[in-house]
Amino acid sequence: AQTVTQSQPEMSVQEAETVTLSCTYDTSESDYYLFWYKQPPSRQMILVIRQEAYKQQNATENRFSVNFQKAAKSFSLKISDSQLGDAAMYFCAYREDQGGSEKLVFGKGTKLTVNP
Amino acid sequence: GAVVSQHPSRVICKSGTSVKIECRSLDFQATTMFWYRQFPKQSLMLMATSNEGSKATYEQGVEKDKFLINHASLTLSTLTVTSAHPEDSSFYICSATERGKQETQYFGPGTRLLVL
Repeated sequence: AQTVTQSQPEMSVQEAETVTLSCTYDTSESDYYLFWYKQPPSRQMILVIRQEAYKQQNATENRFSVNFQKAAKSFSLKISDSQLGDAAMYFCAYREDQGGSEKLVFGKGTKLTVNP
Repeated sequence: GAVVSQHPSRVICKSGTSVKIECRSLDFQATTMFWYRQFPKQSLMLMATSNEGSKATYEQGVEKDKFLINHASLTLSTLTVTSAHPEDSSFYICSATERGKQETQYFGPGTRLLVL
């Protein structure tokens, strides 16, 4: 079964600085999707960024970018110019591309604190 | 785009009663909807997957007779917690995938259930 591991239960960053959240996963598949979701105190899950495994180029969304290392099965999230509103739980998630399964497998999350 | 709503946002009920939670995709047709449960400070646990017009697929350990799921249309799925007990108190979140774009799940804002 696929597993997603987030090894950092908590992280903190100073406002305007850069922080990287780690995520590793285990799969025998070659085609899949990876996601980072943000869950602020409101508990609304918000899609931050998505990466298709077949794409070598790392996904970027404004201040958010990923470092996707397929061979190492690593998918870290970099947040640049951190803002107070970035404070939230961040979940890494994996989804198969084939086989009919649309299920997301989530990591346990990393709580990010942004210090003013 | 890709907005998912849930109703109610929070509900308190007496032990032994049933509670229905609605999940709606507001601006797209949802081929598949998912129901998750989240305990405090934990990750999301998938309960079941439902496709419009067919029976839901439940995850191992989830009682299908206790958590009734109906996916009556392409924009509405309901979760009914039957004969609720205090241990059913939790945060329930739904998500949906859009027809033709099944790789990404969009989440509702969640429903907090408290069973007294």
